[in-house]
Amino acid sequence: DSGVTQTPKHLITATGQRVTLRCSPRSGDLSVYWYQQSLDQGLQFLIQYYNGEERAKGNILERFSAQQFPDLHSELNLSSLELGDSALYFCASSESGDIAYEQYFGPGTRLTVT
Amino acid sequence: GEDVEQSLFLSVREGDSSVINCTYTDSSSTYLYWYKQEPGAGLQLLTYIFSNMDMKQDQRLTVLLNKKDKHLSLRIADTQTGDSAIYFCASAGGSYIPTFGRGTSLIVHP
Repeated sequence: DSGVTQTPKHLITATGQRVTLRCSPRSGDLSVYWYQQSLDQGLQFLIQYYNGEERAKGNILERFSAQQFPDLHSELNLSSLELGDSALYFCASSESGDIAYEQYFGPGTRLTVT
Repeated sequence: GEDVEQSLFLSVREGDSSVINCTYTDSSSTYLYWYKQEPGAGLQLLTYIFSNMDMKQDQRLTVLLNKKDKHLSLRIADTQTGDSAIYFCASAGGSYIPTFGRGTSLIVHP
């Protein structure tokens, strides 16, 4: 158990819908990272937040957005969902914003878009 | 952009050594990682190596880095059935955000 929690574990929704994925980092970690893992694209970095501020952006679509709240939990919002958005979404956290080897991954949320 | 390549499958017999190979394209990579993903779980960092190192050993794991060829390998000694998983190679440069390979599925036969 990494100490990073993600809810829900599974999510099934229809095309065009909007969903919110939630992540609680390890106690004391200030940074949260979101990744998407799909069969087509492999594991891709989406976005990083550090202490409430966006720190780095990767291959995140405009239909997707994220935020980190004062209690440091983070939410990833996915809107106008398409079939291709079906994937496993991982959250990771780290104490620092700069040292990647400290990242601890959550168990993931499996999103299925039908 | 940055790219990390690794073979998709490796099958070994229990007790043998496993060697998983990876190549990367980003010459500014500072950190190189190996992650393990078991079924239904997130990624677990196994080990990492800085780009100024050639080798790192951690119990049954040995990481070799050939910076000239941008080649990274992970050797698992005395491979056990519990080592069956997907192993991801990743590299990160100045941004410290890793770029991941597609993963190598390691299958260990009894």
